[in-house]
Amino acid sequence: GIQVEQSPPDLILQEGANSTLRCNFSDSVNNLQWFHQNPWGQLINLFYIPSGTKQNGRLSATTVATERYSLLYISSSQTTDSGVYFCAVGETSGSRLTFGEGTQLTVNP
Amino acid sequence: KAGVTQTPRYLIKTRGQQVTLSCSPISGHRSVSWYQQTPGQGLQFLFEYFSETQRNKGNFPGRFSGRQFSNSRSEMNVSTLELGDSALYLCASSVLRYRQGAREKLFFGSGTQLSVL
Repeated sequence: GIQVEQSPPDLILQEGANSTLRCNFSDSVNNLQWFHQNPWGQLINLFYIPSGTKQNGRLSATTVATERYSLLYISSSQTTDSGVYFCAVGETSGSRLTFGEGTQLTVNP
Repeated sequence: KAGVTQTPRYLIKTRGQQVTLSCSPISGHRSVSWYQQTPGQGLQFLFEYFSETQRNKGNFPGRFSGRQFSNSRSEMNVSTLELGDSALYLCASSVLRYRQGAREKLFFGSGTQLSVL
């Protein structure tokens, strides 16, 4: 099956710093989504981005499908950005996604 | 609009018992999928339902089953619980219409934390 690798596994920032999270995948995908899991376990959908670039406030994401990677940018980080960020990809139609192992982000005040 | 609702939030069972978890999707969403999250295996796909039919199934034993009702609500059942079934079980819904090539954003519930003793 498809492999999803996220880097870095852990990231510690001071409030106000910027960061870039990376997701590499091993095969062509037609579905790529970024999620944030907060400390209470809730998974929040940040982006549906199988290709191209999207922005939502301080967050933006870029997927280069031909090179099999996606990047999530977080600018001016806040303590509420802490949690685990997951990249998930899908190869077929439907809701079956393969998740990466996540990046644990800690933003200190 | 209410989000995906999962009940119960926490559950404690003993080995050998069975358990049923419930999920109510976002109004208007017809696709419901289930995922298991553990520290060792991460997030893994269990199955997906659309229009009361199982459309996709992950690599889990037959002890894991599910169903979807005509109002799109879904339940998953785990029989003969094992210690390794302790996990956070997450339900997700989407507006998926399940035509060829269709894919949609997934919206997750808060999950059911199952502990098997």
